[in-house]
Amino acid sequence: AQRVTQPEKLLSVFKGAPVELKCNYSYSGSPELFWYVQYSRQRLQLLLRHISRESIKGFTADLNKGETSFHLKKPFAQEEDSAMYYCALRGGGADGLTFGKGTHLIIQP
Amino acid sequence: DSGVTQTPKHLITATGQRVTLRCSPRSGDLSVYWYQQSLDQGLQFLIQYYNGEERAKGNILERFSAQQFPDLHSELNLSSLELGDSALYFCASSQGSPRNTIYFGEGSWLTVV
Repeated sequence: AQRVTQPEKLLSVFKGAPVELKCNYSYSGSPELFWYVQYSRQRLQLLLRHISRESIKGFTADLNKGETSFHLKKPFAQEEDSAMYYCALRGGGADGLTFGKGTHLIIQP
Repeated sequence: DSGVTQTPKHLITATGQRVTLRCSPRSGDLSVYWYQQSLDQGLQFLIQYYNGEERAKGNILERFSAQQFPDLHSELNLSSLELGDSALYFCASSQGSPRNTIYFGEGSWLTVV
């Protein structure tokens, strides 16, 4: 069975501070990991996927297979980063996504 | 705009009723996914269709059903509605291969009163 765990339901940091949103996964094979962002109950937007190894809006995430983690990081938070962030995994024969419960990120001015 | 279109955007209905949510995938996408987002359960995968055939099933209740039509649009039917079915229902689409990105629609807000 595959599972995604986001241990923090809520994370509040000040503008300009570093941000790290944690994501751990459980999967027996080689998964594909994603971060999606959702602003104010709008549609989910793809932020990052681990195979791309890119930086979007200043966010980066590295897949650590040893720790089965895919934490999302940003060195300097901005107020517009306030949103719900979902970590997701895709693996196995079906190509659907399994989501974590999400972390609500609040950036305080 | 992701290109995935969902209607209606908002829907209020009474318990015991039946509703149909509609989704048009992005042009060229063969796979359609349905997700339910509620405050207590988070994002739950319901069902996936690929080119008209059911491909994967998640936590979909027996009162719910879906289908994908020849023109690739999909409908999610929710019947005998209960208060707990109130949620945001997302449709998503992809080209259907494992490495393809999955794009989400804006969702349909269902409120059962």
